[in-house]
Amino acid sequence: NAGVMQNPRHLVRRRGQEARLRCSPMKGHSHVYWYRQLPEEGLKFMVYLQKENIIDESGMPKERFSAEFPKEGPSILRIQQVVRGDSAAYFCASSPVQGDQPQHFGDGTRLSIL
Amino acid sequence: GQQVMQIPQYQHVQEGEDFTTYCNSSTTLSNIQWYKQRPGGHPVFLIQLVKSGEVKKQKRLTFQFGEAKKNSSLHITATQTTDVGTYFCVHRPLTYTGTASKLTFGTGTRLQVTL
Repeated sequence: NAGVMQNPRHLVRRRGQEARLRCSPMKGHSHVYWYRQLPEEGLKFMVYLQKENIIDESGMPKERFSAEFPKEGPSILRIQQVVRGDSAAYFCASSPVQGDQPQHFGDGTRLSIL
Repeated sequence: GQQVMQIPQYQHVQEGEDFTTYCNSSTTLSNIQWYKQRPGGHPVFLIQLVKSGEVKKQKRLTFQFGEAKKNSSLHITATQTTDVGTYFCVHRPLTYTGTASKLTFGTGTRLQVTL
């Protein structure tokens, strides 16, 4: 009964490199959400996806960030040319299509930029 | 955008004392959810409140939704060290089709419990 799976748990990148974060939703869940959490702060919504569709990307920075959820395979959050300010915990959550069901979160990826 | 504020930001109690965190919004909320995040962990869903004035209990935890649906509270009776963590109130906007949507997290209250 696997929950939301995220990998890697920890990721270290140097400034200017690319970071790829992966998320596999819970079985039976068709909706994926990405959130970012800075130290000592709450989670901030980034993007909401269904298979092959971006539903809401109102929280995504306009540059360097992109997300996808292909027909096969996990959802990917991609950060190009990382900067120090990208250091944060990135959480993925999934839910079924019904709006009254809670979102289930993965363990997160802690991204550190050197 | 919509903001959900929580107070206090941080609370340190002795084990056995009670704890309350308050959540306030400037606009009416269609629902309020509560999540708990342990240090180094991920948010875990606790409960959802939908009706005006609703009160729900889970063992030592009591959740309340205000009559005007603009505020909510979480009260923990006789805290234990296992209650340590950050408690977030969260709003999930309704879509007109009733399908899933993003979460708006409150600022959170970090609870520390010592023996």
